[in-house]
Amino acid sequence: NAGVTQTPKFQVLKTGQSMTLQCAQDMNHNSMYWYRQDPGMGLRLIYYSASEGTTDKGEVPNGYNVSRLNKREFSLRLESAAPSQTSVYFCASSEGQGPYEQYFGPGTRLTVT
Amino acid sequence: GEDVEQSLFLSVREGDSSVINCTYTDSSSTYLYWYKQEPGAGLQLLTYIFSNMDMKQDQRLTVLLNKKDKHLSLRIADTQTGDSAIYFCAVLRNSGNTPLVFGKGTRLSVIA
Repeated sequence: NAGVTQTPKFQVLKTGQSMTLQCAQDMNHNSMYWYRQDPGMGLRLIYYSASEGTTDKGEVPNGYNVSRLNKREFSLRLESAAPSQTSVYFCASSEGQGPYEQYFGPGTRLTVT
Repeated sequence: GEDVEQSLFLSVREGDSSVINCTYTDSSSTYLYWYKQEPGAGLQLLTYIFSNMDMKQDQRLTVLLNKKDKHLSLRIADTQTGDSAIYFCAVLRNSGNTPLVFGKGTRLSVIA
């Protein structure tokens, strides 16, 4: 099992460009999450999908959109990138909402110039 | 909403014990977790405690929960250089239908 995979690992964008971060899990998990990690700010939830077909906003959803393509895949889209979106992005999955361990991907380091 | 607070940095000498502290605001929190993030990697679950427990021990790790003060701590005995990482406290609210709330993380540096 690969667990949670994310692509790409690194990306540099110019302000205004768009891109999609991809995430896939092979553990048959129902719930998936997107976080961003910034120095001194810890881990902040952008969006999550409690189950296939549903998505909900987290703490910092502005400037992002998500798609739960199927049970395995959950993508994060930046329509018009801004320097404030420079961050490390983590995808995670869990069996469901509630007391289940979250499994994290290796992260995507995004720089917006 | 839930607030989870941690100090940002901790430095200890190899072989000493490390104690990482966390406070939270929602007294109805049910499960409390410690995640570890090694450099350049995602987070991994280290241990967790259910809210009806006071203490949980797992090899070198001891988790203490003071529900009255809403205080959670993680003690690492005989700290090794491989324990250098960021440690995140996370709390599950009573409803269980919302995602975990993470603290900002404590960066532990172990000095040889």
